[in-house]
Amino acid sequence: DIQLTQSPSFLSASIGDRVTISCRASQGINNYLAWYQQKPGKAPNLLIHSASTLYSGVPSRFRGSGSGTEFTLTISSLQPEDSATYYCQQRNGYPITFGPGTKVEIK
Amino acid sequence: EVQLVESGGALVQPGGSLRLSCAASGFTFSTSWMSWVRQAPGKGLEWVASIRGDEILIHYLASVEGRFTVFRDNARSTVFLQMNSLRAEDTAIYYCAKLLGTVTTFHFWGQGTLVTVSS
Repeated sequence: DIQLTQSPSFLSASIGDRVTISCRASQGINNYLAWYQQKPGKAPNLLIHSASTLYSGVPSRFRGSGSGTEFTLTISSLQPEDSATYYCQQRNGYPITFGPGTKVEIK
Repeated sequence: EVQLVESGGALVQPGGSLRLSCAASGFTFSTSWMSWVRQAPGKGLEWVASIRGDEILIHYLASVEGRFTVFRDNARSTVFLQMNSLRAEDTAIYYCAKLLGTVTTFHFWGQGTLVTVSS
């Protein structure tokens, strides 16, 4: 199974800050990576697919990059509504796996 | 508007069975891959199963294979998850999700239904 690790597991940042979350795969997964945002008590929302493609309706301050085993989600200017947990997910093969999540808190 | 509405979650004893349903609308259900993803309380996301529109291709998480069965009724635009031999570690919110085309990326999610396995 392909394991995904995320770093950091928690971060606290101020409004307007640039925030970067990393996701590392245990083996190469091409660009078969997605990012989700989940707020408490809600289902996840798709942000990015295919490593860098912004999903329809997602604000342009979210950006995905990377390929192979190293991936990054960047929020260019943190907004209050970005307080959430972020998960990466690989689809290079079954079983589909998710990273453990990164909780983003607004200072 | 795409809508996915899960139902069927409940408190069940270890070893028991439960069937979850997910009623879909707002898209062509019969040609859409569908999945179940779960989330244990306070934990991360875990993919459980996926089923293609024609039911010919089905995939399961290893820990549920042989105990869980995913199937669908395209006439009713509903996907099901039959869960047998339930264990405490199956306790979770179960989400139904629609895949983005044939790509295993989940772009629409239901609100989830809670399954609690406890005596």
